[in-house]
Amino acid sequence: AQKITQTQPGMFVQEKEAVTLDCTYDTSDPSYGLFWYKQPSSGEMIFLIYQGSYDQQNATEGRYSLNFQKARKSANLVISASQLGDSAMYFCAMREGLNNNNDMRFGAGTRLTVKP
Amino acid sequence: IAGITQAPTSQILAAGRRMTLRCTQDMRHNAMYWYRQDLGLGLRLIHYSNTAGTTGKGEVPDGYSVSRANTDDFPLTLASAVPSQTSVYFCASRTGFNSPLHFGNGTRLTVT
Repeated sequence: AQKITQTQPGMFVQEKEAVTLDCTYDTSDPSYGLFWYKQPSSGEMIFLIYQGSYDQQNATEGRYSLNFQKARKSANLVISASQLGDSAMYFCAMREGLNNNNDMRFGAGTRLTVKP
Repeated sequence: IAGITQAPTSQILAAGRRMTLRCTQDMRHNAMYWYRQDLGLGLRLIHYSNTAGTTGKGEVPDGYSVSRANTDDFPLTLASAVPSQTSVYFCASRTGFNSPLHFGNGTRLTVT
């Protein structure tokens, strides 16, 4: 079964508008971490934001925020005031449990295109 | 060296040949990982290592082996390459549970 689901293969947004990238996850572990990464066309993986399962508030990092709905098992990434440089692939990932041997599982990704 | 270095950057390999992808980090991270990235599938874990001297299997370990003789190096070996192993390979490392993965720049491997 898919641990991480990103249902939007591609998204378009107008420059300066906000956009939400969806991510749902599946786990029975009460302790887990959720991560979002950006991969521009150059190929490197860039960490954006982290949300822990016990965190009381939604994570924010500059123009990035995470809409964490624990009961619905969703962790959507919100990018405010989109810029042309935000055009990239975006991956949601989850790490379960407290043991170091728990790996990080990734979704299939969403390709975001920011239009001028 | 700063962060994670992967080599080679790209490689074309004949099927049946043996190949080792190199990964070196200078951050003294205990945990290291190998992922492969394929279109539409995201990143899938091949093997991991929690600390020097230990390794474990990920989602797609078949056809690959790893070793972790020291903290810094985590090579990935394809014993006998097949075309389905054509992919982009990323090495990554991290410190603690809440830490993000630090990635290398990837190796683009084509098996013909």
